[in-house]
Amino acid sequence: AQSVTQPDIHITVSEGASLELRCNYSYGATPYLFWYVQSPGQGLQLLLKYFSGDTLVQGIKGFEAEFKRSQSSFNLRKPSVHWSDAAEYFCAAVNDYKLSFGAGTTVTVRA
Amino acid sequence: NAGVMQNPRHLVRRRGQEARLRCSPMKGHSHVYWYRQLPEEGLKFMVYLQKENIIDESGMPKERFSAEFPKEGPSILRIQQVVRGDSAAYFCASSLRTGAEKTQYFGPGTRLLVL
Repeated sequence: AQSVTQPDIHITVSEGASLELRCNYSYGATPYLFWYVQSPGQGLQLLLKYFSGDTLVQGIKGFEAEFKRSQSSFNLRKPSVHWSDAAEYFCAAVNDYKLSFGAGTTVTVRA
Repeated sequence: NAGVMQNPRHLVRRRGQEARLRCSPMKGHSHVYWYRQLPEEGLKFMVYLQKENIIDESGMPKERFSAEFPKEGPSILRIQQVVRGDSAAYFCASSLRTGAEKTQYFGPGTRLLVL
C-alpha cells in the first residue's frame, strides 16, 4: 500500500539551531513529493515540492529538502530556525491526484 | 491572485442538522479536492471533482456526505444529519491540472463542531 511516514511526532529545537524533519515514502514508483506547514487553526501552506531533476530543492521561508531514492526519503531542513517556524509540518506524496499525508511533526521552538 | 477560499471558517451544528461547506478554487484552477483532518487520524482524502463531475469519491463516507462542483459557483461539501464524529477540520485544495502539474494549494479550512 502507498504510504508516507514521518517518524518524529514532536521535535523541540532552540531558536537559531538547525532543524531536520524526516519523511519516508512507500510507493511502487517515485511519487511527487511535497512538504506543507500548518500553523494552529490555519490551512496548509506549501513549502516546497519535488517532481524530478535536482534532488535538493529549495522552498520558501529558508527551507530545503533532499530527495534520496535509495532511502525512499525526502527530509526537510532549515539551517537556523526562527520562533515563527513553530508549527506542524506534513510530508505528502501523490502519483495520480490523491495526496497521502504523513502523520505530521509538531515543531516547538524554544527561546 | 487570490488563494483558495473556504467559508465559513467555523461552523457549529447540532446533531441532526445539515452542514454546507463552500470552497472557491484559485483562479484558473478547475480541479478541486476535499480532505478531512480528524483528531488522531491525520489528513485523509475525501473526494476529487472537476467542473460538473465527481472524479473520485472513494474517501467519502457512503451515507450523509455529498459533494458537487457546479459549472458556476463554488464547490460544496454537504453533510446531512451531522453526528459528533463529523467534528473535524475540512480542507479544500485546488490544482491547475493533473498530469505534470500535481501541486495542490489548500484553503484555510472549515472547522466543524457538532454539539
